[in-house]
Amino acid sequence: GAVVSQHPSRVICKSGTSVKIECRSLDFQATTMFWYRQFPKQSLMLMATSNEGSKATYEQGVEKDKFLINHASLTLSTLTVTSAHPEDSSFYICSAQGPLTSGGDNEQFFGPGTRLTVL
Amino acid sequence: KNQVEQSPQSLIILEGKNCTLQCNYTVSPFSNLRWYKQDTGRGPVSLTIMTFSENTKSNGRYTATLDADTKQSSLHITASQLSDSASYICVVSSSYSGSARQLTFGSGTQLTVLP
Repeated sequence: GAVVSQHPSRVICKSGTSVKIECRSLDFQATTMFWYRQFPKQSLMLMATSNEGSKATYEQGVEKDKFLINHASLTLSTLTVTSAHPEDSSFYICSAQGPLTSGGDNEQFFGPGTRLTVL
Repeated sequence: KNQVEQSPQSLIILEGKNCTLQCNYTVSPFSNLRWYKQDTGRGPVSLTIMTFSENTKSNGRYTATLDADTKQSSLHITASQLSDSASYICVVSSSYSGSARQLTFGSGTQLTVLP
């Protein structure tokens, strides 16, 4: 259980185009999903918190008009990188917050990531 | 400022050998500490989770320890296999709600297991 998928796994696009990345929780409902960016040899950096049915919350320094997030259902969140540029090339990972455990904690389950390369 | 520091940054060992990875943290308040394994080009996968009252947790060949007094954790890998080659990330949570905004990530230890 607790599987999170991402699509596509890899995308190459030209500078100036927009790219949409999907994040799905396959066997549980996630009211909250998170989007991360990871540069080579660095750890994950939280970009935004995606809440079903409401606006996403962006971390400081993340442009909300460039990274559009939509959380239309309890199992799907999308990240759209608008007018992508080479500096947006990175590994984008989503996570979904799972149901409350018996210990009172909500574990996050990570997707497999999407490698974006902007030429 | 909450911080999680991991050492070593990278480690190379021979197949079958044991190794120990370290994690020091200054996160307050403390909720739990998780170790993740991240294969190259993949998302992190949880190995262990420990709360304040737990000082050891095992998952197969992986054993994590936690010393909440000194704010240190270690991940011990026994009888390493080639498939253990990955980045191991220590993540400390300061929230019981599970929000990612209260997660502090270490930079990871890159482990390479050679045949």
